[in-house]
Amino acid sequence: RKEVEQDPGPFNVPEGATVAFNCTYSNSASQSFFWYRQDCRKEPKLLMSVYSSGNEDGRFTAQLNRASQYISLLIRDSKLSDSATYLCVVHMNRDDKIIFGKGTRLHILP
Amino acid sequence: DGGITQSPKYLFRKEGQNVTLSCEQNLNHDAMYWYRQDPGQGLRLIYYSQIVNDFQKGDIAEGYSVSREKKESFPLTVTSAQKNPTAFYLCASSMGRDRAFFGPGTRLTVL
Repeated sequence: RKEVEQDPGPFNVPEGATVAFNCTYSNSASQSFFWYRQDCRKEPKLLMSVYSSGNEDGRFTAQLNRASQYISLLIRDSKLSDSATYLCVVHMNRDDKIIFGKGTRLHILP
Repeated sequence: DGGITQSPKYLFRKEGQNVTLSCEQNLNHDAMYWYRQDPGQGLRLIYYSQIVNDFQKGDIAEGYSVSREKKESFPLTVTSAQKNPTAFYLCASSMGRDRAFFGPGTRLTVL
């Protein structure tokens, strides 16, 4: 089983819709969790950290379920500018490795 | 400005030549990382270093080498043993279990 798994998509979603991604991780020693956004031919940029209690930043909500070992990202009222690849990132506790999922591609359609 | 820099942005090399990619950070981060990304693919970990003078292999270390002689520098050498070196190379740094900061990347093309 891969350490971090995501549905690669693409998700083709009309503007204004709500879209959700999940990501599963295999190592229960994982300590920190993040969602990054990557635009074509650019470096990844932090979208938000993910906390056990769940956290929200504007139209974005992230959740962590340690028991089931998955994290989620919800985007409400999607904008054209949300089109990107969203990377699930897990920071391991044991050896400080940072593992990336392969990313989920999102296309917001006008 | 605090940040992480990579140079050059684009690099072309002939097959069989070793090439070294630069990564420098002035964030005072302990940990540094090298990733490779192929078109339409995710990031794969090549090497990482938690402290100076120490580094560990990632998932795809074969054909690559690194050094960590200074806290702020983590150069990556792509050797002639790397069978398919053309890719986008990303360097990152972090402190503890905090978020990772990325450099702008180097696009290596081997002709």
